[in-house]
Amino acid sequence: DAGVTQSPTHLIKTRGQQVTLRCSPKSGHDTVSWYQQALGQGPQFIFQYYEEEERQRGNFPDRFSGHQFPNYSSELNVNALLLGDSALYLCASKLQGDSGNTIYFGEGSWLTVV
Amino acid sequence: GDSVTQMEGPVTLSEEAFLTINCTYTATGYPSLFWYVQYPGEGLQLLLKATKADDKGSNKGFEATYRKETTSFHLEKGSVQVSDSAVYFCALSVRGSARQLTFGSGTQLTVLP
Repeated sequence: DAGVTQSPTHLIKTRGQQVTLRCSPKSGHDTVSWYQQALGQGPQFIFQYYEEEERQRGNFPDRFSGHQFPNYSSELNVNALLLGDSALYLCASKLQGDSGNTIYFGEGSWLTVV
Repeated sequence: GDSVTQMEGPVTLSEEAFLTINCTYTATGYPSLFWYVQYPGEGLQLLLKATKADDKGSNKGFEATYRKETTSFHLEKGSVQVSDSAVYFCALSVRGSARQLTFGSGTQLTVLP
């Protein structure tokens, strides 16, 4: 049973560029969330997707956008990259309506903005 | 808003020592509480959870009790091992918030042989 998978593992971008990160949820899961984890900090919620729609959003600017596909996989897009966007981006998945609150995380995508 | 405050790190212990990592929370609703662990170079793994007051979550020798009266969820282990070296995150989620997790800043634990 595959867990949450993310790609790429590491990438380096230049300030002002755009980046797309990808996530495949755990088998059977239909809800995907994205988190940003800056070095030495706890993860911060970016947004959550269910039924191909953004359902909830954290305190992140519109430069951060996402998409969910019919197969439940998801993308995180960040435009006009800033140095401060350098972080580990984590994808998490769950089954909507799962009252057990079991959320699974991928290993993350390390983004460095130079 | 919701928030989690964790004991500042890093924490360094000798093998077989007793571990406590303090965690307190502020929440607008009635939260579920979690401890996640992050080993070097890896993503987050759920360590244990508790969904209502006085529940005790436990896993791999770690325990934490949901204390509503003190808004706390302290992590404990009676005898740590070198393999427990990792970063530990306390987190909460509140019903009606799409189950988003609010994390503390993490506590780095190093266990020396």
